[in-house]
Amino acid sequence: AAGVIQSPRHLIKEKRETATLKCYPIPRHDTVYWYQQGPGQDPQFLISFYEKMQSDKGSIPDRFSAQQFSDYHSELNMSSLELGDSALYFCASSLVLDYGYTFGSGTRLTVV
Amino acid sequence: AQKITQTQPGMFVQEKEAVTLDCTYDTSDQSYGLFWYKQPSSGEMIFLIYQGSYDEQNATEGRYSLNFQKARKSANLVISASQLGDSAMYFCAIPKGTGAGSYQLTFGKGTKLSVIP
Repeated sequence: AAGVIQSPRHLIKEKRETATLKCYPIPRHDTVYWYQQGPGQDPQFLISFYEKMQSDKGSIPDRFSAQQFSDYHSELNMSSLELGDSALYFCASSLVLDYGYTFGSGTRLTVV
Repeated sequence: AQKITQTQPGMFVQEKEAVTLDCTYDTSDQSYGLFWYKQPSSGEMIFLIYQGSYDEQNATEGRYSLNFQKARKSANLVISASQLGDSAMYFCAIPKGTGAGSYQLTFGKGTKLSVIP
């Protein structure tokens, strides 16, 4: 079965640089979520999109932005990277009114 | 606000034995669900099992089952016949509907399970 695809798997950036993470949800899933998991922490909700519109926002820094495109894939853009942004970033997708909630394998971002 | 409490930071279990991972929750919703996820050292977040608050029976998925006690607000995960590959971090999570068809998950701090040969 198709899963949530995230790219890249690993990313190393320097401070103040910009990073773009991509997410391809499960086909026919119309809601996409982004989570951030710091070292030794539980995942924290960042932002979600339903039918290409932003549906909810969590603890996402102003330096971060995201969007969902017409083909339902989503991108998380992070600018002016800081050391504290080093984390595992997950994308998840689900169907409306369906509590199925599938995560991708994550992108491990390291800021040096 | 939703809250998940996992009181066991780490647990050990002998291979082939059963183990119970605790999860208690707090929610003001009348209808809700609970997820358990497994996160191995490689990092991916793997769905294990889901329990709806109005499900009449406790959820089961292969070697995983939930001991759901609604009055106590607990949803403990039971893993039977532990295998070495079960060594991982386990997270309990509760969704919160935010309108517009999306659900935000609140996670517990997790329990690190180590299976001993």
